[in-house]
Amino acid sequence: GENVEQHPSTLSVQEGDSAVIKCTYSDSASNYFPWYKQELGKRPQLIIDIRSNVGEKKDQRIAVTLNKTAKHFSLHITETQPEDSAVYFCAASSPRGNNRLAFGKGNQVVVIP
Amino acid sequence: SQTIHQWPATLVQPVGSPLSLECTVEGTSNPNLYWYRQAAGRGLQLLFYSVGIGQISSEVPQNLSASRPQDRQFILSSKKLLLSDSGFYLCASPGRNSGNTIYFGEGSWLTVV
Repeated sequence: GENVEQHPSTLSVQEGDSAVIKCTYSDSASNYFPWYKQELGKRPQLIIDIRSNVGEKKDQRIAVTLNKTAKHFSLHITETQPEDSAVYFCAASSPRGNNRLAFGKGNQVVVIP
Repeated sequence: SQTIHQWPATLVQPVGSPLSLECTVEGTSNPNLYWYRQAAGRGLQLLFYSVGIGQISSEVPQNLSASRPQDRQFILSSKKLLLSDSGFYLCASPGRNSGNTIYFGEGSWLTVV
């Protein structure tokens, strides 16, 4: 089945700097890639997603890029703010996996004021 | 829009006691429902998923079971809890017309003592 890995496991950035989290996936048939943000003690919430027919998608300070050849996708957060501190999960789904999401293990992002 | 209700929100149970966590979904006709568990500081582990009433698939062998007595109701149970069952339990479902995207309920915190 699909295997999704996230790097780095923890990322600390100064407020105002950019943060980049990268995920790799194993199934070349995967065609949907969401990102979730989980604040401490709360549920994961979808923040952005991308489908395989698109290389990049942007929503205000957040963007996701997809490289199908290399089988990796990345979350970019610009002008980081303290409220961006959270755990971020990437996921991928493939028709070969009944379109169920396979999650990465999460990245802890800490924005230092 | 879709709403996922989970209860109880928090519970503390002794080892060996039974468990019942309930999830109900409103505002969607997509029958797929999921139970995830998140141990402290860890990733999201898929426990069960269901594509319809009475249809349950288990992802990992464990001390838990699931049932789907109604289309929009998904129940997670255990006859005898173990310490290792402690964690944050999340019910999830695709939203209306969301395709592969899933949305999480607010979760149930279980501490086994």
